[in-house]
Amino acid sequence: DTGVSQDPRHKITKRGQNVTFRCDPISEHNRLYWYRQTLGQGPEFLTYFQNEAQLEKSRLLSDRFSAERPKGSFSTLEIQRTEQGDSAMYLCASSSGQRSTDTQYFGPGTRLTVL
Amino acid sequence: QKEVEQNSGPLSVPEGAIASLNCTYSDRVSQSFFWYRQYSGKSPELIMSIYSNGDKEDGRFTAQLNKASQYVSLLIRDSQPSDSATYLCAVNSGPGGYQKVTFGTGTKLQVIP
Repeated sequence: DTGVSQDPRHKITKRGQNVTFRCDPISEHNRLYWYRQTLGQGPEFLTYFQNEAQLEKSRLLSDRFSAERPKGSFSTLEIQRTEQGDSAMYLCASSSGQRSTDTQYFGPGTRLTVL
Repeated sequence: QKEVEQNSGPLSVPEGAIASLNCTYSDRVSQSFFWYRQYSGKSPELIMSIYSNGDKEDGRFTAQLNKASQYVSLLIRDSQPSDSATYLCAVNSGPGGYQKVTFGTGTKLQVIP
């Protein structure tokens, strides 16, 4: 078990460009979460998958953001027409989902810088 | 009112002392409580989870939960310089089976050698 992995680890893009991040959860974890974290803040919930179903999406998430988990394994987060305010660390976490008190384990994150 | 509140710090303690980190939460139906450690530029790492009132100990770490007061704390005994990090309090306030976890802004801990 190699833990949660994310790719890329760093992404620098120009404003207006689209970016896509990938997350591979811990194997057999059926829950997957995306968070965004800016300096001095805690992780902010973006969206959540149970297997391939996207069950919750933060109302703070604009229409420029979309996430998928097509086969219930890895997930992608796409940001269209990036803005400077999108610069942040994007964190993925997974959990087994076997009980209501299970624990989320985080990947190393993707740091996005929008110029 | 923020859902999960922490003092941002920094909290400075000398090496070998006890560090006490505190967190309050607003949702009375919260079921699960977590402490994560985050080093600068890194992702959060789970330290402790606690679900029932009282204390839970794991090595140098003790988590304390008081649901009546909506308060959870983390004690770090024999603090080491390597404990210097930001500690995030996280609370699961979703209904049964749904893991919507809300994080506080974190408390920065500095352990002075």
